[in-house]
Amino acid sequence: GQSLEQPSEVTAVEGAIVQINCTYQTSGFYGLSWYQQHDGGAPTFLSYNALDGLEETGRFSSFLSRSDSYGYLLLQELQMKDSASYFCAVRREGSARQLTFGSGTQLTVLP
Amino acid sequence: NAGVTQTPKFQVLKTGQSMTLQCAQDMNHEYMSWYRQDPGMGLRLIHYSVGAGITDQGEVPNGYNVSRSTTEDFPLRLLSAAPSQTSVYFCASFAAGQGRHEQYFGPGTRLTVT
Repeated sequence: GQSLEQPSEVTAVEGAIVQINCTYQTSGFYGLSWYQQHDGGAPTFLSYNALDGLEETGRFSSFLSRSDSYGYLLLQELQMKDSASYFCAVRREGSARQLTFGSGTQLTVLP
Repeated sequence: NAGVTQTPKFQVLKTGQSMTLQCAQDMNHEYMSWYRQDPGMGLRLIHYSVGAGITDQGEVPNGYNVSRSTTEDFPLRLLSAAPSQTSVYFCASFAAGQGRHEQYFGPGTRLTVT
């Protein structure tokens, strides 16, 4: 089957850098996605990595190592509005590009 | 564009009642999905569709039915509500083309079954 592991909680201060790790197990790999979800809100797409390396989008970057079945989301210059849950996800086996999500990491940004 | 819309936003049902959660998208996306999210957990796939007239089961399909008669609409039916179906339900859609990975989620329906 598939599984994704990520820390349940991370805390950091405003202006800092935080890294949220994700390890996955899946027989067929098509890429690692990251989603952000604020309390009471809908998940929103942040990034997608299909190949090894770092993808940068503004203050957010995402990294993938396929040989290690590992990725991370890097958030720089943290702001209070970054307090949210962050989910990694892989394509679900045999289901037309649907996703299997990790349990999520609750990021709290302190002033 | 309104994106993905869901109704109702909140619903309380008694055990055994049935209801339909509505989902619509105006982006002409081929793929649509239903997920449920329980407290402190990730999203789990209930059912999905790859186009009008084509649906399939996800990870937790029991107790739910879907149909897709048009590209725009993908309703989720609860056949006989149970307390275990208390959850937040999200509908999502995305395009099928190569290089397209972003799923767009609706605002969710918060369902309580008593």
